[in-house]
Amino acid sequence: NAGVTQTPKFQVLKTGQSMTLQCAQDMNHNSMYWYRQDPGMGLRLIYYSASEGTTDKGEVPNGYNVSRLNKREFSLRLESAAPSQTSVYFCASPRDRGWGEQFFGPGTRLTVL
Amino acid sequence: AQSVTQLDSQVPVFEEAPVELRCNYSSSVSVYLFWYVQYPNQGLQLLLKYLSGSTLVKGINGFEAEFNKSQTSFHLRKPSVHISDTAEYFCAVTLDTGRRALTFGSGTRLQVQP
Repeated sequence: NAGVTQTPKFQVLKTGQSMTLQCAQDMNHNSMYWYRQDPGMGLRLIYYSASEGTTDKGEVPNGYNVSRLNKREFSLRLESAAPSQTSVYFCASPRDRGWGEQFFGPGTRLTVL
Repeated sequence: AQSVTQLDSQVPVFEEAPVELRCNYSSSVSVYLFWYVQYPNQGLQLLLKYLSGSTLVKGINGFEAEFNKSQTSFHLRKPSVHISDTAEYFCAVTLDTGRRALTFGSGTRLQVQP
């Protein structure tokens, strides 16, 4: 039972390149989220998915797209990377019932040159 | 919309001393409150949460927090810190309806010195 996994752990891109960040959870949760973490700003919500096949914008969605193709996986795509997207990206998934813990993945550290 | 303010970006403290990390929130509706800890190069781990009931909540690793509705605060405390408590601490809130995404504060870096 790995919880929430993310790949890759590190990535360096050049401006304009594209890439997809992968996230998977094995807890059978309905909801999944993508956050970005920047120094001095905490974590901010990029996109979320309340259930398989549904997605919605969060606080900072510009420059990103997401796909929730099945219950386990929620991917984040950068179509044309920009230096402003240099950040640490976290995927998370909360329990379906109650207001307990939101489980976080280990993060992907992305640098855009 | 809700917001979270962590008043101190860094808190240096000596080992075995007490510490308080401050958190204030604003929201026009009821919220649930959380403290998360992030150790270097790791993801976030839940320390404790306030959902309802007793305003003093206890978490892991000897931490506790007190919910004060009148002051809209949820300060984190530990009576005696260890070197291993060195980490970044995030206060977060979520509404009791809707998508349940967390709104985070900017974080407080706790630096425990020997």
